[in-house]
Amino acid sequence: QKEVEQNSGPLSVPEGAIASLNCTYSDRGSQSFFWYRQYSGKSPELIMSIYSNGDKEDGRFTAQLNKASQYVSLLIRDSQPSDSATYLCAFRLGGGGNKLTFGTGTQLKVEL
Amino acid sequence: DGGITQSPKYLFRKEGQNVTLSCEQNLNHDAMYWYRQDPGQGLRLIYYSQIVNDFQKGDIAEGYSVSREKKESFPLTVTSAQKNPTAFYLCASNTGTGGMVREGQPQHFGDGTRLSIL
Repeated sequence: QKEVEQNSGPLSVPEGAIASLNCTYSDRGSQSFFWYRQYSGKSPELIMSIYSNGDKEDGRFTAQLNKASQYVSLLIRDSQPSDSATYLCAFRLGGGGNKLTFGTGTQLKVEL
Repeated sequence: DGGITQSPKYLFRKEGQNVTLSCEQNLNHDAMYWYRQDPGQGLRLIYYSQIVNDFQKGDIAEGYSVSREKKESFPLTVTSAQKNPTAFYLCASNTGTGGMVREGQPQHFGDGTRLSIL
């Protein structure tokens, strides 16, 4: 089983819709979770971080974490064409360890 | 402005040649990382350093070497032993205390270096 699994997509949503991106992980020791956005040819940029069960909202973005079910999701409300990118989820084990484990990313396409 | 600077943006390697990718940060971060990204793939960790004069191998260290002589700098050398070096190389850093990273501290990335074989 892969450490982190994401649907590679592409996930296509119409402009203004809600885009839902999901990520499952295998290591129950994981404590910190991150969502990065990566435009084609560019480096990843941090969108959200979450480390407590539940929802965390920041503008149009909501991260959801469920440690019991070992998944983390990212909701993008009112999707815009500028949201079209690859979204990478990543997690870090607890105990202050430094390494992040990344998923392969989900490509999102927001269509006019 | 504070940030992470990677250079060069594009690099070409000849057969049997070692090349060095530069990564400099002025964020006063303790921890620095090197990742490799292949097309359509996620990020794979090459090496990381939690503190000056110390570094550890990541998941794909073979054919690469690093040094951490200064807090601000973490150069990556792609040696001739790396037979498939063509990839997008990303340097990242984050803050820490005494070499340990606090929970929830994300990594921030430089703009990357694209390495190709001539």
